[in-house]
Amino acid sequence: NAGVTQTPKFQVLKTGQSMTLQCAQDMNHNSMYWYRQDPGMGLRLIYYSASEGTTDKGEVPNGYNVSRLNKREFSLRLESAAPSQTSVYFCASSHGQPGTGGVSEKLFFGSGTQLSVL
Amino acid sequence: AQTVTQSQPEMSVQEAETVTLSCTYDTSESDYYLFWYKQPPSRQMILVIRQEAYKQQNATENRFSVNFQKAAKSFSLKISDSQLGDAAMYFCAYRSAYDNDMRFGAGTRLTVKP
Repeated sequence: NAGVTQTPKFQVLKTGQSMTLQCAQDMNHNSMYWYRQDPGMGLRLIYYSASEGTTDKGEVPNGYNVSRLNKREFSLRLESAAPSQTSVYFCASSHGQPGTGGVSEKLFFGSGTQLSVL
Repeated sequence: AQTVTQSQPEMSVQEAETVTLSCTYDTSESDYYLFWYKQPPSRQMILVIRQEAYKQQNATENRFSVNFQKAAKSFSLKISDSQLGDAAMYFCAYRSAYDNDMRFGAGTRLTVKP
C-alpha cells in the first residue's frame, strides 16, 4: 500500500531558487494538506485542499503556492526560496471534508521532505 | 484560534514502566477531536490514539490510553509497559469538527531506557 507519496525526500536550494514538492495519494481521499515541521514548533498548516479544485490558506501560507492537480495530487511550490523556509515538509490526506460534523478524521502522512535553503 | 500545549519537551521512562505525556488545549468549540501521533526517527507520523470530544469514555489502544478531561481541556497519554520501540517524538493534536486545520503541539521527545 503506497498511501501518501512525497517527492523528493531531500532537497538543497540556494536563496531565490524555486522548486515544487510533489504529493500523491492513492486512497481516494477528498482532502489534502501541506504542513511544515520546525524544531520546538510542531507541525503547522501551510495550505489545504478540501476537494479537487479548491485550495485554502492555513496558518503559515506566505511564500508558498499550491495546486490541486486532480483528486490524487497536491503540489507545493516555493517561488523564491528563503532560508526561513528550511524545514521538513509533510503532505497528508484524509477522507472527509470539513463541516460534516460527527466524523473523526485522522490524517495519513507522507514520509516528509527535508528542505534546506542556503 | 485553537492552541495545543505540550509542557514537557522531553521525558524518559524505564523499559516496562509507565509514563504519562501531558497535553492541554484551548478552544471554545464543543465538537472536536483529539489525537496523539508518534514520530520515530524515520520521520513517519503514526497515529497512536484518537478521542472524540463527545465521548466521555477514555480511548484505549492496547498499551496506550488517554485521560480526557473536557472541562479542564486536558488530554494526556499514558503508555504502559514501555518498550524500546516506543522511543519517539509524540505530538498531541486538535481538530475541530468544522474546519480543516489540525493543530499540533510542539511535541514531547520520549526516551526509553533499557
